[in-house]
Amino acid sequence: GAGVSQTPSNKVTEKGKYVELRCDPISGHTALYWYRQSLGQGPEFLIYFQGTGAADDSGLPNDRFFAVRPEGSVSTLKIQRTERGDSAVYLCASSLSGTSFRSGELFFGEGSRLTVL
Amino acid sequence: KNEVEQSPQNLTAQEGEFITINCSYSVGISALHWLQQHPGGGIVSLFMLSSGKKKHGRLIATINIQEKHSSLHITASHPRDSAVYICAVTPYGGSQGNLIFGKGTKLSVKP
Repeated sequence: GAGVSQTPSNKVTEKGKYVELRCDPISGHTALYWYRQSLGQGPEFLIYFQGTGAADDSGLPNDRFFAVRPEGSVSTLKIQRTERGDSAVYLCASSLSGTSFRSGELFFGEGSRLTVL
Repeated sequence: KNEVEQSPQNLTAQEGEFITINCSYSVGISALHWLQQHPGGGIVSLFMLSSGKKKHGRLIATINIQEKHSSLHITASHPRDSAVYICAVTPYGGSQGNLIFGKGTKLSVKP
């Protein structure tokens, strides 16, 4: 597609449930990033993929959060045993390369709004 | 204290006014980003800077590495510029996407 696509756009779930959020980056972009934005706050970094591997997962808040990118394109952010504090907009971005400074411009998706009741 | 501070938090301007949004940071950085976020959440990357100044249309971004400060200027502001403007930095030695974000400046331009 022309841009970064995220699905679902909205997800309402109950506390304790498992959730998957999907990100389809721009074709050819090797770097993919997940961020989380709580209401009234700036985004915060979760994880960065270069190709299929997680180059930096230091932002994942705890072991309930996990992300994969098995074929180096689509990525799935997985949240187990959701808590009310996980409610936020989950943003995905991609860039042409993670290591080329000149290609560091980020392209963001519209986000997936997660509400945990 | 946040590592990236923006001011002002909220800004209301009349159409045509010159606007400045400021960003100060407390860590060494390899790059600084200015982002625009419209209601509904979509984020657009406006600039990525490591030094000096960049211009795109009515938008100008400057950075002073020694003072750890950046500004985003909008000339001849228009109601369609109304959005949240977010400053984000890549800490020196950090991975490209491991950004530290400011809380954003909400700009409203009145016709």
